Amino acid sequence: DIQMTQSPSSLSASVGDRVTITCRASQGISNYLAWFQQKPGKAPKSLIYAASSLQSGVPSKFSGSGSGTDFTLTISSLQPEDFATYYCQQYNSYPQTFGQGTKLEIK
Amino acid sequence: EVQLVESGGGLVQPGGSLRLSCAASGFSVSTYWMSWVRQAPGKGLEWVANIKQDGSEKHYVDSVKGRFTISRDNAKNSLYLQMNSLRAEDTAVYYCRASSMVWGQGTLVTVSS
Repeated sequence: DIQMTQSPSSLSASVGDRVTITCRASQGISNYLAWFQQKPGKAPKSLIYAASSLQSGVPSKFSGSGSGTDFTLTISSLQPEDFATYYCQQYNSYPQTFGQGTKLEIK
Repeated sequence: EVQLVESGGGLVQPGGSLRLSCAASGFSVSTYWMSWVRQAPGKGLEWVANIKQDGSEKHYVDSVKGRFTISRDNAKNSLYLQMNSLRAEDTAVYYCRASSMVWGQGTLVTVSS
């Protein structure tokens, strides 16, 4: 199975900051990577697919990059509604696997 | 409005069965791979199973192989998960998902005596 490791596991930031979350795959997954946002008690929301393509309706403050084993999610100009837990998921091979999540908290 | 709505969750004893349903509206599921993803209380997300557009391919995480069956009915715009021989570790919120795009709101499955 491909292991997905996110760093950091938690992150404190302020409104207006720019933050980057990293996701590393234990083996190459080309660009078969998605990012999701989840708020407490809510279903996940899709942000990015194919490593860097924005889902419809997702603001351009979210961006993704990477290929192979190393990927990043960048959120610019943090707003209160962006504080949530973020997950990456690889869909290059089965079983599809998620990272452990990165909890983004307000400083 | 594009929407997925799960149903069928509840409390079941160990060894019991449940069938989850996921009804789509605002789009046709026939175009997409469909998946089930679960989240145990206080834990992260875990992919459970998915199924190709025409039902010809199905894949499962090892921990549910032989116990869970994913299926779909494109005419009813719906996805299903038949869960047998349930264990305490299957306790989770189960989400259906269209591709990596649309998520349902989730349905809670609790396996306990």
